[in-house]
Amino acid sequence: NAGVMQNPRHLVRRRGQEARLRCSPMKGHSHVYWYRQLPEEGLKFMVYLQKENIIDESGMPKERFSAEFPKEGPSILRIQQVVRGDSAAYFCASSPGTGGENSPLHFGNGTRLTVT
Amino acid sequence: KQEVTQIPAALSVPEGENLVLNCSFTDSAIYNLQWFRQDPGKGLTSLLLIQSSQREQTSGRLNASLDKSSGRSTLYIAASQPGDSATYLCAVVLNAGNNRKLIWGLGTSLAVNP
Repeated sequence: NAGVMQNPRHLVRRRGQEARLRCSPMKGHSHVYWYRQLPEEGLKFMVYLQKENIIDESGMPKERFSAEFPKEGPSILRIQQVVRGDSAAYFCASSPGTGGENSPLHFGNGTRLTVT
Repeated sequence: KQEVTQIPAALSVPEGENLVLNCSFTDSAIYNLQWFRQDPGKGLTSLLLIQSSQREQTSGRLNASLDKSSGRSTLYIAASQPGDSATYLCAVVLNAGNNRKLIWGLGTSLAVNP
């Protein structure tokens, strides 16, 4: 059973370009969470999605950032017009649906975004 | 606003020592608490999850305790090994239900020297 798969592992973008980060949850998991880890800072919640729905986006910047989790395919975190401050590690986690509240979240290995 | 603090920020010990990592949180109304391990450049591995109604959880050489009323959790590592070197993170979940939003500490960076 494959774990949470994130790609790419490393992504380099110039200022002003777009970054697309992909996350495939564990098999059977229908809930996806995105977290950001800035250098020298802790992990911060960004967004929580279920299939085709954004449930909680309270941690996501209002501008330039968007997330989706379509019916088919991976979850995508999209950052438009990237700036140097977007450089960070972005982690995706997944969990089962109803009944999984006390099972641990499973994380991917992250995508390390560098904006030059 | 929930804040999670981990002490110490860094720890270096000789191999074989037993050690304790501390985590405190400001709001005792948590749903559960989870300890993770993060290796450099890698993802996060879940170590132990303690539900708010539990006092401790054990897995191998690891034991995590939770004192919800005082807002504290400890991770005890017995007979430490060089392979235990990593950053250890604790995180709390505030809400029951399916939103498993985690509030994180900054971690304790552990080095176990052979």
